[in-house]
Amino acid sequence: GQNIDQPTEMTATEGAIVQINCTYQTSGFNGLFWYQQHAGEAPTFLSYNVLDGLEEKGRFSSFLSRSKGYSYLLLKELQMKDSASYLCAVLDSNYQLIWGAGTKLIIKP
Amino acid sequence: GAVVSQHPSRVICKSGTSVKIECRSLDFQATTMFWYRQFPKQSLMLMATSNEGSKATYEQGVEKDKFLINHASLTLSTLTVTSAHPEDSSFYICSAMRMTSGESYEQYFGPGTRLTVT
Repeated sequence: GQNIDQPTEMTATEGAIVQINCTYQTSGFNGLFWYQQHAGEAPTFLSYNVLDGLEEKGRFSSFLSRSKGYSYLLLKELQMKDSASYLCAVLDSNYQLIWGAGTKLIIKP
Repeated sequence: GAVVSQHPSRVICKSGTSVKIECRSLDFQATTMFWYRQFPKQSLMLMATSNEGSKATYEQGVEKDKFLINHASLTLSTLTVTSAHPEDSSFYICSAMRMTSGESYEQYFGPGTRLTVT
């Protein structure tokens, strides 16, 4: 079956760095997405990785290792507004998005 | 960045009536749009994949006759919840995917529609 795992909840301190991991087992792979979702709102696109390596976008970076079926989202200089759920999703061989359950990130002052 | 609009943002309807939700990509053409449903404190649940000019592909367990999807143009997809029941009350979210240069994908979400069936 297809499966995406990410931690349910993480806590970090304002100004610090946090890494949210995502492991996947899917039928084929056409890329991995990271999204941010605040409570009661629709998700916001953060990144898309299809090649191995690190992609940096400001305070957010996303890493992918296809051989390991592994990705992480790195958030630097955490701000209170970064408190949200972070969703990992993989585009499978049929170009269907397979979703993780999301990681709730709690930022403490 | 790309923008996807969704209308209405909130709707309350009586049991047995039908509700139409529109999803528009405002500044790009989306060959593929997705419809999701989200229950409180849960991840997104894909309902169907909509390709312009063809029939939508529904996920297992989603009733085609109850959730009618039409993708009339490259910028508009509609979801109609027919004969709505209270258990259909949920947050419905659409998204539009586009391919950028280098065969990279970006997916943008509409703001969602909160449906309450009384």
